Amino acid sequence: EVQLVESGGDLVQPGRSLRLSCTTSGFNFGDYALSWVRQAPGKGLEWVAFMTSFLYGGTTEYAASVQGRFTISRDDAKRIVYLQMDSLNTEDTAIYYCARYRCTGYYCYEEYWGQGTLVTVSS
Amino acid sequence: EKVMTQSPATLSVSPGERATLSCRASQSVSSHLAWYQQKPGQAPRLLIYGASTRAAGIPDRFSGSGSGTDFTLTISSLQSEDFAVYYCQQYNKRPETFGQGTKVEVK
Repeated sequence: EVQLVESGGDLVQPGRSLRLSCTTSGFNFGDYALSWVRQAPGKGLEWVAFMTSFLYGGTTEYAASVQGRFTISRDDAKRIVYLQMDSLNTEDTAIYYCARYRCTGYYCYEEYWGQGTLVTVSS
Repeated sequence: EKVMTQSPATLSVSPGERATLSCRASQSVSSHLAWYQQKPGQAPRLLIYGASTRAAGIPDRFSGSGSGTDFTLTISSLQSEDFAVYYCQQYNKRPETFGQGTKVEVK
């Protein structure tokens, strides 16, 4: 069974940093691209970041709203994907979900999702 | 970025009735369109990918259609567990983008 479990969400002050982790099981981690998607309270879904497997170079992409502030990374030995979030602001308040992609070439969609971890940015 | 627009925002349907949800893309996304279901306090769940292919374990009362810019999710006979919010997502070009959601509620 594919499982993704996020952790690291917390209440942080604006301008501070936070690192989220997503621990996985039930699939061959090294074969898959992964993403982070967030959902502000009462709002819709917003894609945040993407990372391919190292088989495809470990390529990363980011939403414009987080480019330069957030960094996605992965540790294949530990089966964990991370989201380093710097210079947080109140608009980053959201539930953050990690997801495993299913890809056909360039085209990738989120097939499995974790339950999410809440990040609250407030003074 | 490709903007996805869903309609209606809220759909009131009686159990056993048919529900039809729409999703429109600002530019063609070919058939690179997915539908997700989200219940309160839960993560999204993949229903449909490739515009019309049901994901594993999804009941056949869920069906998707369309290509290019106009897509439809149909729930043929609503069950109590189907009342939820539904999102479409294009993955034709990153940034992948989601519609704002359609809430299916009990009439």
